[in-house]
Amino acid sequence: DTGVSQDPRHKITKRGQNVTFRCDPISEHNRLYWYRQTLGQGPEFLTYFQNEAQLEKSRLLSDRFSAERPKGSFSTLEIQRTEQGDSAMYLCASSYGQGADGELFFGEGSRLTVL
Amino acid sequence: DAKTTQPPSMDCAEGRAANLPCNHSTISGNEYVYWYRQIHSQGPQYIIHGLKNNETNEMASLIITEDRKSSTLILPHATLRDTAVYYCIVRVGYTGANSKLTFGKGITLSVRP
Repeated sequence: DTGVSQDPRHKITKRGQNVTFRCDPISEHNRLYWYRQTLGQGPEFLTYFQNEAQLEKSRLLSDRFSAERPKGSFSTLEIQRTEQGDSAMYLCASSYGQGADGELFFGEGSRLTVL
Repeated sequence: DAKTTQPPSMDCAEGRAANLPCNHSTISGNEYVYWYRQIHSQGPQYIIHGLKNNETNEMASLIITEDRKSSTLILPHATLRDTAVYYCIVRVGYTGANSKLTFGKGITLSVRP
């Protein structure tokens, strides 16, 4: 399968613990995006990388959140000191392009439940 | 703050055309109209996009009004598998712009047997 891969698909954790999600984009896609989705809402943009550079971060991305894409390939999203409000689906997407074109290909998401 | 307005839900009969409306009255000249859909428990999936001309692909047709203030996504022969949330999104199209998508709540399409 050459689609966007996310791991783990499901994560249950206790409040205060740290969690990390991994995203493997489609090979050769230079852009990678993280979104968060809560029940009944559309996906909300969190952050965006072009190659290894993090070009934009949403105000939703508090200091407890950090994302990296060290070699311009896979990316990780870490949440420190999780809170119940962090419970959501975390979606990763990738695309290829130089301009604002290029469709985004989404992974199946990583569902986080904070107890 | 999404730039599009969609009704919350609609339904249609299997085998019939599903016409999904979207208003984007503040669209700029350099913004494209994109449609994505999200089937339950999956990530969003690209359907189609256009600037001002009508577009058609193997999944759907996109009809954009002449003033570009609204559009309609047409699924010509809806099946049960088309039951999903459909998002209408406007997105700038010039080189160098941030290519992120801003989703609203979308419209839930229910296809009934």
